[in-house]
Formats: sequence, structure tokens, C-alpha cells
Amino acid sequence: DAKTTQPPSMDCAEGRAANLPCNHSTISGNEYVYWYRQIHSQGPQYIIHGLKNNETNEMASLIITEDRKSSTLILPHATLRDTAVYYCIVRDSGTASKLTFGTGTRLQVTL
Amino acid sequence: GAVVSQHPSWVICKSGTSVKIECRSLDFQATTMFWYRQFPKQSLMLMATSNEGSKATYEQGVEKDKFLINHASLTLSTLTVTSAHPEDSSFYICSARGRLAGSGEQYFGPGTRLTVT
Repeated sequence: DAKTTQPPSMDCAEGRAANLPCNHSTISGNEYVYWYRQIHSQGPQYIIHGLKNNETNEMASLIITEDRKSSTLILPHATLRDTAVYYCIVRDSGTASKLTFGTGTRLQVTL
Repeated sequence: GAVVSQHPSWVICKSGTSVKIECRSLDFQATTMFWYRQFPKQSLMLMATSNEGSKATYEQGVEKDKFLINHASLTLSTLTVTSAHPEDSSFYICSARGRLAGSGEQYFGPGTRLTVT
């Protein structure tokens, strides 16, 4: 699976949009981009995933560049409860494929 | 989204004893389950992958005789830490993927914190 690169930490003011970038320049054509987050001492929570089109759900939006070498997770109105470590992971759709976690981005939402 | 539960949520055991952790998919059939371990301030590390009715596949460096995994049904997988030692103290997290979740979501349990004294 392709490797991803994320900034180690980011701050965001409550109520503002949080834009979390991810580079995956070696992504291959059948690999999806997944985003998970982990709030302290809890299991990871699925946020969103996509292949090449932009995606939106009730939690976030995922913007994938046309060349698919990078993506941005957008939390439109961050709250204090969004403080967590956010992981960007690429994985193919095979049944044997695995989610391999990198170091992620620690997002701190402040008042 | 689908729900994955783990039991117990935390456990303290003495060195040399064995501990069993259960992972259940509550509202879907999990054809594949994964076990991760996370040490403080570190990321999740995949330990093993198991498919229902098959032997688990362990990642490099994970002792299969120490971490016994059983995936006997489509809703239950267990991880047994045998002859636990203090260095096995960690946060153990299971994850499950359903039959139709080829490109879809993989759901995680809340984790089990193991402390070996």
C-alpha cells in the first residue's frame, strides 16, 4: 500500500474550518484514500473515504486532487470534540488489503 | 455505521497469566477481523489478520504462539495473550470488515487496555 505524509500537528479555532492535508504521491489506480480519527484512549473512528471524486458526508468533506497525489480532509465547523489524531490511509479494495496507520496529524481545536 | 464491541475494556493481570480479549461485530457479519496494538504516544500497529474459519495471518515480528487469535464465527474473534509480561501492557484494538465491504469502511472497537503487573 502507498505511504502517506501528514503534518504532525495543527491548531484550529472552534467554529472555523479545519483543513487537514495528506500527501500520497505513490498512490496507485486501485487504491482508495481513507480518513480515520482517534480521540484519546478510544478506537479509531471512520470518517470518510474516496477514490477520485470529492466526497462529503455528515462529518466531513474529502477533496482529492485530480492527479490523486494528495487530498484534504475538511471539517467545516470544528468543535472542541473534534480534537483528535487524524489518520490518512491509502488501501486497495482487495479483501486481503489492510489499513496501515502512520503517525497522523494531531488536531487541537481551541476556543 | 456498524458497531464493534470489545470486552473487557480494561484488564489488569499478573505476570505469567493469560488474558483473553473478545471482539464482536454487533450488527454485521465480519468476514475479516484485525487486531492492532498501540503503545502510549504511538500509532496503531497491526498484529494479525483473521478470516472466519481460517488461521490468522500474523505480521512480521508478532509471535503467533504468544498472541493466539481465534475467529470462530462471523461475529466473534478472540485474542489471547499467553504468559503475559509487563512489556505486553498496551492498548489492544480490534477491527472488523464486513462481507460486502470491499472498498468500504472498516470498523474499530473501543479498545482494551491491558496492564500486566
